[in-house]
Amino acid sequence: DIVMTQTPLSSPVTLGQPASISCRSSQSLVHSDGTTYLSWLHQRPGQPPRLLIYRISRRLSGVPDRFSGSGAGTDFTLKISRVEPEDVGVYYCMQSLQFPFTFGPGTKVDIK
Amino acid sequence: QVQLVQSGAEVKKPGTSVKVACKASGGTFSRSSINWVRQTPGQGLEWMGVIIPTYATPTYARAFQDRVTITADESTTTAYMELSGLTSTDTAVYYCARYLDAMDVWGQGTSVTVSS
Repeated sequence: DIVMTQTPLSSPVTLGQPASISCRSSQSLVHSDGTTYLSWLHQRPGQPPRLLIYRISRRLSGVPDRFSGSGAGTDFTLKISRVEPEDVGVYYCMQSLQFPFTFGPGTKVDIK
Repeated sequence: QVQLVQSGAEVKKPGTSVKVACKASGGTFSRSSINWVRQTPGQGLEWMGVIIPTYATPTYARAFQDRVTITADESTTTAYMELSGLTSTDTAVYYCARYLDAMDVWGQGTSVTVSS
């Protein structure tokens, strides 16, 4: 199974300031078709996860452009350019290259 | 706009089974895959399995393959996840999620509590 790790596991942030989360996979997430199957999800307390970004950097329709994804191979980053109050919660990276799909442990973002 | 609506919360005794429903509306059901993911209290997300309704052949995570059955009924656009041999460690919120390039639509979650 592909193991996903994230750093940090907790990130207190200041409103209006940037935030960054790193994700690493135990093997490359590049498919033979050239697509990299790495996505980012956000979960607020009491709610289901919500997809933010897929294929490393593609924002789902309606996701604010303050969210951006980057990376390649086994190392990926989610950046929030200016943290807003609604951005608190837990962020997960996820690989869907192969079964079983696996998730990172989550990074909890809260306001300082 | 696809929506997934799951069945309500369940309380089960150890050793019994639970069956959770996930009804899709507003979009293409048959050709997209429906995944099941669970989240144990205070823990992260764990993928359980997937089905593409048109093909009806599920794939299961090794951790669950002896206990889980995932099915889909195209006529009612509903997917089901049944988990047997419940123990207290199966107490969790169970989600269904559609996959098209990524898990882009999620159900609201179904809480399953296993307690004697």
